[in-house]
Amino acid sequence: NAGVMQNPRHLVRRRGQEARLRCSPMKGHSHVYWYRQLPEEGLKFMVYLQKENIIDESGMPKERFSAEFPKEGPSILRIQQVVRGDSAAYFCASSPPLPGPNSGANVLTFGAGSRLTVL
Amino acid sequence: GDSVTQMEGPVTLSEEAFLTINCTYTATGYPSLFWYVQYPGEGLQLLLKATKADDKGSNKGFEATYRKETTSFHLEKGSVQVSDSAVYFCALSEKTGANNLFFGTGTRLTVIP
Repeated sequence: NAGVMQNPRHLVRRRGQEARLRCSPMKGHSHVYWYRQLPEEGLKFMVYLQKENIIDESGMPKERFSAEFPKEGPSILRIQQVVRGDSAAYFCASSPPLPGPNSGANVLTFGAGSRLTVL
Repeated sequence: GDSVTQMEGPVTLSEEAFLTINCTYTATGYPSLFWYVQYPGEGLQLLLKATKADDKGSNKGFEATYRKETTSFHLEKGSVQVSDSAVYFCALSEKTGANNLFFGTGTRLTVIP
């Protein structure tokens, strides 16, 4: 009964390199959400995806960040040309596509997070 | 805009002590309120929730009451255990969908025997 799997758990990159973070949703879940937690701050929404579709990317920085959720395989959050300010914990969550008020928030399952450190 | 202000940590308590973690919120409408918990090495889990004023959410001995007049949702437990050591996040959602969840900064609780 695997939950949401994120890897790597820890990633170290030098400035200018690329970072790729992966998220495999819980079995039966077709919606994926990425959140970022900067030091001393709360988790902040970045992007919401369904299979092969970006539904809401209003929280994504305009440059260097991209996300995908292909038909096969995990969701990937990609950060190009990383800078020190990208150092953070990146959390993925998944949910089934249930209707109803706050259905997404009620049934979210989070991964343990991926901690990115940029040197 | 929407926001959540959470009691700063870390908090260290002895086993069987009383726990309060304060949480206040700012919202334009009538949000739903949540407490999430993250145990070491694991993902965030929903601990309890309340969807309207005066509702009380409860789970595993933890309680929180939705207070509209003070815009608060403080987390309480009468007698903590070592196994309660974790990071606790307060969150709110005004609209349908988890893409509208706003989190506090988290409070780390350590319970010592």
